[in-house]
Amino acid sequence: AQKVTQAQTEISVVEKEDVTLDCVYETRDTTYYLFWYKQPPSGELVFLIRRNSFDEQNEISGRYSWNFQKSTSSFNFTITASQVVDSAVYFCALSEAGGSADGLTFGKGTHLIIQP
Amino acid sequence: NAGVTQTPKFRILKIGQSMTLQCTQDMNHNYMYWYRQDPGMGLKLIYYSVGAGITDKGEVPNGYNVSRSTTEDFPLRLELAAPSQTSVYFCASSWGGPPDTQYFGPGTRLTVL
Repeated sequence: AQKVTQAQTEISVVEKEDVTLDCVYETRDTTYYLFWYKQPPSGELVFLIRRNSFDEQNEISGRYSWNFQKSTSSFNFTITASQVVDSAVYFCALSEAGGSADGLTFGKGTHLIIQP
Repeated sequence: NAGVTQTPKFRILKIGQSMTLQCTQDMNHNYMYWYRQDPGMGLKLIYYSVGAGITDKGEVPNGYNVSRSTTEDFPLRLELAAPSQTSVYFCASSWGGPPDTQYFGPGTRLTVL
């Protein structure tokens, strides 16, 4: 069975600080995909990134970066120079590519608060 | 291109009432999903569909029904609403099945009193 753990329930930092959101996953598949979604206060879910299990290169997109480490089953998300607009709940999710059409397995989310 | 749309945005039901949550996507996606999000929890899959006329249960299907008569629409039906169904409901779609990226609608906040 697959599982995603986001141990940080809530993180509060002051604007311009860097912050890392942790994601640890469990899966028996050798081929799988990891996702991050952002849920701002308005409530919608916004797709941020998808990575497959064969690509361990770190990814950077502006102030956002992702560190994927298979050795520790982690897919952590770092926001550099945080801004108030980054305040949201962030979800890490896992999808196995084994052929089942089941949906994503989500972590419980990390509520990120950026204080001005 | 509106993406995934859901109606209504908010709804209050009395115990035992029924209602249908609407979901429409205009991206010609084959796969559609319904999730529920409870406070402090991640999303859990209720039902999914791999194409028109084909639906299947997810992790938490009890108390719900779905249909998929067209590619675009995937309504979720609640029969005999219960307080345990108070939640935020999200519809999502993807071109193919996992691991294709799922795109989500804005959600419907449902309260059952």
